[in-house]
Amino acid sequence: DGGITQSPKYLFRKEGQNVTLSCEQNLNHDAMYWYRQDPGQGLRLIYYSQIVNDFQKGDIAEGYSVSREKKESFPLTVTSAQKNPTAFYLCASSRTSSGNTIYFGEGSWLTVV
Amino acid sequence: GEDVEQSLFLSVREGDSSVINCTYTDSSSTYLYWYKQEPGAGLQLLTYIFSNMDMKQDQRLTVLLNKKDKHLSLRIADTQTGDSAIYFCAEIAYSGAGSYQLTFGKGTKLSVIP
Repeated sequence: DGGITQSPKYLFRKEGQNVTLSCEQNLNHDAMYWYRQDPGQGLRLIYYSQIVNDFQKGDIAEGYSVSREKKESFPLTVTSAQKNPTAFYLCASSRTSSGNTIYFGEGSWLTVV
Repeated sequence: GEDVEQSLFLSVREGDSSVINCTYTDSSSTYLYWYKQEPGAGLQLLTYIFSNMDMKQDQRLTVLLNKKDKHLSLRIADTQTGDSAIYFCAEIAYSGAGSYQLTFGKGTKLSVIP
């Protein structure tokens, strides 16, 4: 089945540690995105990538980093510089970034303890 | 800048119709979307409407677009308990230089009372 797979679903991290969230898609989409969702809030864009080996900062990129070495993979690293990392993280993809429908993964819960 | 507004909560009785409203500010919208998010899950695309349409119907879902007032609504007929979720309105608008920007509302939490 085609889709977007995020892992892990639940992750606990100690303060001061970096953690990497995985996102893989087999939809042959060029564009991929990372959003953050806080309880009762909408979605905020962290980073997006329109094509392999290229990515741009979204609205809240500070404390995060990404890479796009392969078309199907767009991992997100939450660094220790992110002051309030506990949130629900959603990965998404679209065929291109030019107005195509965006599809989402099932999300990853990150809790900092 | 672009903004998408939704009311935060809606309660309806099972079997009634639900109407979730959304307003947006960007007149260069191309597509407008409705996504459904169940607890602890990702966003599921429900339906979308192209900006030159004023209505789209898909089984129990009816989307109405009033482009003059920049108002979008989602009507769910015969609402069921399984429809309880958060519904997000989103628009894609052309932002110049070949770029498009996707903006989400904060979501409307629909509670269906048995």
